Amino acid sequence: ETGVTQSPTHLIKTRGQQVTLRCSSQSGHNTVSWYQQALGQGPQFIFQYYREEENGRGNFPPRFSGLQFPNYSSELNVNALELDDSALYLCASSSTPATDTQYFGPGTRLTVL
Amino acid sequence: LAKTTQPISMDSYEGQEVNITCSHNNIATNDYITWYQQFPSQGPRFIIQGYKTKVTNEVASLFIPADRKSSTLSLPRVSLSDTAVYYCLVGDYRADGLTFGKGTHLIIQP
Repeated sequence: ETGVTQSPTHLIKTRGQQVTLRCSSQSGHNTVSWYQQALGQGPQFIFQYYREEENGRGNFPPRFSGLQFPNYSSELNVNALELDDSALYLCASSSTPATDTQYFGPGTRLTVL
Repeated sequence: LAKTTQPISMDSYEGQEVNITCSHNNIATNDYITWYQQFPSQGPRFIIQGYKTKVTNEVASLFIPADRKSSTLSLPRVSLSDTAVYYCLVGDYRADGLTFGKGTHLIIQP
């Protein structure tokens, strides 16, 4: 059974740029959730995708958007990067949308200069 | 979602039992209590979940009193590798995702 994988591991961007982060869900999982974790804080829910549709969203602006593909992998896109977007971005997959048991990937560390 | 309060940090020694208590005074009838563990530079990992009384698995035990206003995660005979941040989550986990607080930073010393 393959776990959740994310790419890239690290990324450095400058303010105003756009970034795309990728996530492959665990085998058999159809739901992907994205979280942002600032240094010293717990992860904050960005949004969730279920069967290629957005299925819930946290308190993040529209410049945070996503996609889910037929194979249930997912992308997180962030436009007009700001310094405060520097964080660890975590992807989690699950077998159903409404569950407290999610399987997290190792994350992508984004630094915005 | 019910707000949780847990200690910011705790210290213990190898071989000891560690108990981390989480307060959730506003827990709702349909809410479950779930604990996650996070090592540095890794994503959180599900440890245990419960609704009431006691739950035990191969990693930990979870004690929940009758009023469910608090819960205690118990880690038996900890080792250095148990050094991590432990998060207590409370909710019925619909499509608005998991809500993490700042967690408890547990440091195990030799």
